[in-house]
Amino acid sequence: NAGVTQTPKFQVLKTGQSMTLQCAQDMNHEYMSWYRQDPGMGLRLIHYSVGAGITDQGEVPNGYNVSRSTTEDFPLRLLSAAPSQTSVYFCASSKIWTTGQETQYFGPGTRLLVL
Amino acid sequence: AQKITQTQPGMFVQEKEAVTLDCTYDTSDPSYGLFWYKQPSSGEMIFLIYQGSYDQQNATEGRYSLNFQKARKSANLVISASQLGDSAMYFCAMREGANTGGFKTIFGAGTRLFVKA
Repeated sequence: NAGVTQTPKFQVLKTGQSMTLQCAQDMNHEYMSWYRQDPGMGLRLIHYSVGAGITDQGEVPNGYNVSRSTTEDFPLRLLSAAPSQTSVYFCASSKIWTTGQETQYFGPGTRLLVL
Repeated sequence: AQKITQTQPGMFVQEKEAVTLDCTYDTSDPSYGLFWYKQPSSGEMIFLIYQGSYDQQNATEGRYSLNFQKARKSANLVISASQLGDSAMYFCAMREGANTGGFKTIFGAGTRLFVKA
């Protein structure tokens, strides 16, 4: 049981390049989400998914695309990288218990630098 | 609109003592969830505890408890018997519509906790 995995751990891009941040979970969780964390700040929600085939925008979706073709995978695509997208990106999955309680699991993060 | 406020940028606590980290929120949605996270200097994000707006009892997880005061819109984290390893950044977060499939979550600015030996 690997939990939530993210690749790569670190990436340097040039302005205008595109790339995909990978996220996978092996816990069969329906809910997955992508966050970014800028220095000295809390996380901001980029996109989220409540199940395979269902995605929606969060607080800061511009410049990012997501898809959810399987329960396990939730990749985040940067369409045309900009320096403002330099950040640490976290992927998370959530288990919602029958009691309504929720437990979240985070990946280790991807540090992205856009030059 | 959603709003989360953590008014303590930094806190000091003596090892083995209890500490309370403050969090207030604002929402007009009757259905919401409140979260606390720990982020050590290593950078990982660790989920600590969850409280639903309809939960009658305060959530507890080991040494962590959430002091939920609905009328005051506060969700303070209490850490009992502080340990040196508790030194970290702590974030409070809220999600509206938690019981109806809503998923948009906002975070507070965080409180940095320092545990002294």
